[in-house]
Formats: sequence, structure tokens, C-alpha cells
Amino acid sequence: DARVTQTPRHKVTEMGQEVTMRCQPILGHNTVFWYRQTMMQGLELLAYFRNRAPLDDSGMPKDRFSAEMPDATLATLKIQPSEPRDSAVYFCAGSSYNEQFFGPGTRLTVL
Amino acid sequence: RKEVEQDPGPFNVPEGATVAFNCTYSNSASQSFFWYRQDCRKEPKLLMSVYSSGNEDGRFTAQLNRASQYISLLIRDSKLSDSATYLCVVITGNQFYFGTGTSLTVIP
Repeated sequence: DARVTQTPRHKVTEMGQEVTMRCQPILGHNTVFWYRQTMMQGLELLAYFRNRAPLDDSGMPKDRFSAEMPDATLATLKIQPSEPRDSAVYFCAGSSYNEQFFGPGTRLTVL
Repeated sequence: RKEVEQDPGPFNVPEGATVAFNCTYSNSASQSFFWYRQDCRKEPKLLMSVYSSGNEDGRFTAQLNRASQYISLLIRDSKLSDSATYLCVVITGNQFYFGTGTSLTVIP
């Protein structure tokens, strides 16, 4: 049963620290998305890749966030330096056609 | 104006009730529509696709109204296990747009 995996599942860190989140999409899903979800804003698209190429990262604060896909089995989202307002659940999702398959998310708390 | 707007609720309904959610979209060129379900502290998962002709899956019926640019989800005979957040999704070009979700609690 193929699934999207994300690590870590939970992360508590202090303001100013670097945070790296990882995602392993389902093999063959050539479009990969990064979302952030908070109670106030709902699900926000941060960035997405198609065939590992970044297509849109306009939802991402560029000064502190970066997203990469070094190979087809790994996508990363990095925050440096982290701030308390970055506290949220970060989801990765992959799709091959119209359905998106989400990972379980990384719950980030920045103190 | 947001691409997708959704009433956040919450909707609190008794078991057995019928409940309906709507979601409006702003771009008439949007071509695909879906409902996702998200349980508490879990990831969203596809519930069903939405077509102009309607789509029924057991107690769930999804409908698309292109003229008025909205999609709907109807749940009949609601169960406790239907308690979740329901998100509408609209695809325009190759962009996915999620609604903020409607919270449903089914009460015994």
C-alpha cells in the first residue's frame, strides 16, 4: 500500500533555528506539493514541483523558506531562521493526475 | 477575491440528519472539482469527484452548478463517523485551490 511519508512527524524548536522537513512521495507521482495548514488560514499552498522542477513557489516567504527536490524520491522544505508564526502543520502531497495523496504532515512548533 | 470560498461552519447535526455544504469558485474556466475529507489531526483524503451530472456514492451526493459557479456536498442519514472537516477543491489550469474547509460534527 503505497503512501506518502513525511519526517519528522513532530518538531519543536526555538525561534531562529533551522528546520528541515522531508517528504517521500509515492513513486510515479511526478507533481509534488508543499502545504501549510493553520486554524486561521486553512490549507495554503507554499510550493509545487513537476518532474522535480519548481513550478510555483509564490506562496512561500522567500527570505526564510526554501523548497527543493533533489531526486524523485525526496522533497525538502527548509525554514531558516524559523519564527513562532511558522508554527503549523506542513503537508506534502503528490499527484499523478487530479487526485492528491497527502502525507501525514509535520507538526511544527516554534517557541 | 479568493479562488474558492467555503462556509467554515461549524455544522452540528444530530445523527440521521441530512446536511449540505456549498463551495463557490471564482474562475469560470475551472475544470475539475472534488471534495476531500480531513479527520482531526490527520491529512486530507479524497472523498469524491464532482461532475455536472452529479455524483452519488452511498449516502453522499456531490453536484456541480457551472452557471452559478458552486459545488455542493449532501450527506444523508449522517453518522457519527461523518464528523470531520470537508474541503472543496477546484482545479484551474494546473493549479489546485483548496477551500478552508467546513467542520461537521454529528451528535448522538
